[in-house]
Amino acid sequence: QQQVKQSPQSLIVQKGGISIINCAYENTAFDYFPWYQQFPGKGPALLIAIRPDVSEKKEGRFTISFNKSAKQFSLHIMDSQPGDSATYFCAARSAGNMLTFGGGTRLMVKP
Amino acid sequence: EPEVTQTPSHQVTQMGQEVILRCVPISNHLYFYWYRQILGQKVEFLVSFYNNEISEKSEIFDDQFSVERPDGSNFTLKIRSTKLEDSAMYFCASSADRQVSYEQYFGPGTRLTVT
Repeated sequence: QQQVKQSPQSLIVQKGGISIINCAYENTAFDYFPWYQQFPGKGPALLIAIRPDVSEKKEGRFTISFNKSAKQFSLHIMDSQPGDSATYFCAARSAGNMLTFGGGTRLMVKP
Repeated sequence: EPEVTQTPSHQVTQMGQEVILRCVPISNHLYFYWYRQILGQKVEFLVSFYNNEISEKSEIFDDQFSVERPDGSNFTLKIRSTKLEDSAMYFCASSADRQVSYEQYFGPGTRLTVT
């Protein structure tokens, strides 16, 4: 019940395309859903986050869509760039500010 | 821009030895965390720490693990008797206020290799 399932595991997108990464959860007690970007050898960097009372949040080229009834949320990267090539993790917060991470998506943006 | 720092970047130790991983959280943050990431796998929560005590801990955080804030700036993770399966990247994170902002900022990690 604490799991967050993330798909796809890997994604290849052409430069300028839209990258879409999906996550699903079971625990309705989760109350905050961040996305992290991780480059090789680095720590996860907070990218964008949403609370469940909001259906969409946009920051620049990054958009989170949130479907509370379906218990799903997704990250859309518009106009994907080679510099966006990284591993992306969705996460969900529960009591004690504990983050449960999804399995990660390795994104490659081809020039 | 303030950031979480961690030392060392890479630690190699023999099985059964004790290791201490060190972190300096962002200076005005009050909540501190340790996570680990086994190579190629997802990031896993270990423990959260607030007001000099553990707030939450996962099943991974057994009696071999302990955390401490020995002074006003450092936050440490000790593994008493390392096992091969403790080999992982260990990330420290901090956040300003659990109620107002849930944002957790991660350090660059310490790669622990147990041989």
